Amino acid sequence: AQSVTQLDSQVPVFEEAPVELRCNYSSSVSVYLFWYVQYPNQGLQLLLKYLSGSTLVKGINGFEAEFNKSQTSFHLRKPSVHISDTAEYFCAVRTDSGGGADGLTFGKGTHLIIQP
Amino acid sequence: GAGVSQSPSNKVTEKGKDVELRCDPISGHTALYWYRQSLGQGLEFLIYFQGNSAPDKSGLPSDRFSAERTGGSVSTLTIQRTQQEDSAVYLCASSRRPLGGGEQYFGPGTRLTVT
Repeated sequence: AQSVTQLDSQVPVFEEAPVELRCNYSSSVSVYLFWYVQYPNQGLQLLLKYLSGSTLVKGINGFEAEFNKSQTSFHLRKPSVHISDTAEYFCAVRTDSGGGADGLTFGKGTHLIIQP
Repeated sequence: GAGVSQSPSNKVTEKGKDVELRCDPISGHTALYWYRQSLGQGLEFLIYFQGNSAPDKSGLPSDRFSAERTGGSVSTLTIQRTQQEDSAVYLCASSRRPLGGGEQYFGPGTRLTVT
């Protein structure tokens, strides 16, 4: 079974400052990695995903993440945040067990708070 | 095109009553997923459908929970004899293909409150 740890439940950042949201995972098999964003009272929206290939993945809204296999991490970064980035961010993993029956395993989420 | 839709958006029910939650996936998406989002447990995977078949139901929290999908499209999640701990947001997602990194598109969720 796999698991995801998001160490920071809440991250306050000033507007236009850089931010990093941390995600570590545990799995005995290869995984696919995802970051989702949830704006208040809305559903989940995919920010970016790592399937294979280049370890630096670029997503929507200026976000990027880097897959580090040795550290089992997939941290999310943005060089300059805006007020509109205030939301809950979820890291998720999925294995390809062959049966296709695995859903996503999510971390607990990190609430990004942008301060003016 | 239309995204994943769920109904109702909000449901308040009395403890002990049965509820049905509906999910309408994106047209052409063969895989459908149910998740539950609650304050205590975060986001939990409940069940997955490939077509009308659910290969693994072990993620359902108890035997009061059941789900079905008909015609490879609409799915319903039924909770019998609801309990207060069932209060949560129930999210549905669909994807074009089930394996690996197929992107899952989420609906807005159904907020269930059991009083």
